[in-house]
Amino acid sequence: DAKTTQPTSMDCAEGRAANLPCNHSTISGNEYVYWYRQIHSQGPQYIIHGLKNNETNEMASLIITEDRKSSTLILPHATLRDTAVYYCIVSGGLTGANSKLTFGKGITLSVRP
Amino acid sequence: DGGITQSPKYLFRKEGQNVTLSCEQNLNHDAMYWYRQDPGQGLRLIYYSQIVNDFQKGDIAEGYSVSREKKESFPLTVTSAQKNPTAFYLCASSIGETSDEQFFGPGTRLTVL
Repeated sequence: DAKTTQPTSMDCAEGRAANLPCNHSTISGNEYVYWYRQIHSQGPQYIIHGLKNNETNEMASLIITEDRKSSTLILPHATLRDTAVYYCIVSGGLTGANSKLTFGKGITLSVRP
Repeated sequence: DGGITQSPKYLFRKEGQNVTLSCEQNLNHDAMYWYRQDPGQGLRLIYYSQIVNDFQKGDIAEGYSVSREKKESFPLTVTSAQKNPTAFYLCASSIGETSDEQFFGPGTRLTVL
């Protein structure tokens, strides 16, 4: 029962912004949107998460629509090292017993020189 | 340096043998998790533990066993009952009740010959 839908792949030019979309139309009021990425043959790495406000950190920005049914992860200046699989995850959040993240297939971002 | 370590990075075993994968964390996290990843797929949850001496089955627990005798350690045993054990195994930890941000280890690639 997939909670999120992401395109299979996308690419962008080095130095340009990468905008990764995610649909989560069945998200409930207390669920957070999380983004992780996985570089080939490594463990996933947390990027950012949000509930309803837009969020920004040193890695990326997360834009969540007002109805919370979709979001976009923005890497402002993509580099070759950003080539990875990016996972958009909806999770119960702040409830330790429900801290089970469901990783789908994600979107493969390829940054080209 | 705080983090999660998994050993070994590559592991080979003969069919019919049990094998134990190590996972250690020095982040003082309460919760720990084991995931399995097959080629081109997302991560699937095998077992998780919210606190010492307690653990719960994830989505694909059959053929696996775990223990949580110490806060820092969450070893996973792949038993001979697991029909398709060849995979990439990832261990993660999180603070637990207050965060779904999971920190992942580098993974162990298990190959059954």
